[in-house]
Amino acid sequence: EDQVTQSPEALRLQEGESSSLNCSYTVSGLRGLFWYRQDPGKGPEFLFTLYSAGEEKEKERLKATLTKKESFLHITAPKPEDSATYLCAVQGSYNTDKLIFGTGTRLQVFP
Amino acid sequence: DSGVTQTPKHLITATGQRVTLRCSPRSGDLSVYWYQQSLDQGLQFLIQYYNGEERAKGNILERFSAQQFPDLHSELNLSSLELGDSALYFCASSGTGGSGYTFGSGTRLTVV
Repeated sequence: EDQVTQSPEALRLQEGESSSLNCSYTVSGLRGLFWYRQDPGKGPEFLFTLYSAGEEKEKERLKATLTKKESFLHITAPKPEDSATYLCAVQGSYNTDKLIFGTGTRLQVFP
Repeated sequence: DSGVTQTPKHLITATGQRVTLRCSPRSGDLSVYWYQQSLDQGLQFLIQYYNGEERAKGNILERFSAQQFPDLHSELNLSSLELGDSALYFCASSGTGGSGYTFGSGTRLTVV
C-alpha cells in the first residue's frame, strides 16, 4: 500500500535559521512526488512536482530534492511568512491519479 | 483564486441531517477529487470523477456519495451525519497527463 511519512511533525525556527523537512515514501511505481503549502483553514497550494531520483526544484527560499526513498524540502533563511503546514504527497503508477498525502510538517518561523 | 470553486464555505448542521457540497473545477480540467481533512488526520482521499464517471474510490463511507455532472461540476452528498463527520472537505481538479492538482478553499462542515 502506498504510504507517506513526514517528519518532524512540527518545527520552530528563528528567522534566518535554515532547515529541512523530510518526506519518506513507499509507492508502487512513482509517477510523481508533490509538495504543497497549506495555511490554516485554506486549501493546499501547489509548490513542486518531482518525477525522478536526483531531480531538484527551487522557488524563492524553498528547494525540493528527491531520492528513491525520500524527498527533502530545504528552507533557506526562512521568514515569518513561510510559516505554514507543508504537505508531501505521492502519485503511484497503477492506473490511478489520486494523491496519497502525509500528515504534514507544521512550520513556525519567529522574528 | 485557484480557479476551483467550492460552496458553501461553512456549513453547520445537526446530526442525522443531509448536506450537499458543491465544486466547480478549474476551466478545462476533467478530473475532480474529493478529500476530507480532520484535525487528527491528514488529507484522506474520498473519490475521483473523470468526465462524469467514477474513476477511483478511497475510504468513502456508504453514507457519502458523489457525482459529476455534464458541465463537470461535482457534488458530494453526506447523509445521516454524525459528529465525527465534522471536517474540512476539499475538492481538487486536474487536467490530463497525471500532474498534481489544484485545490479549492474547502467547505468547513460542523455537525452539532
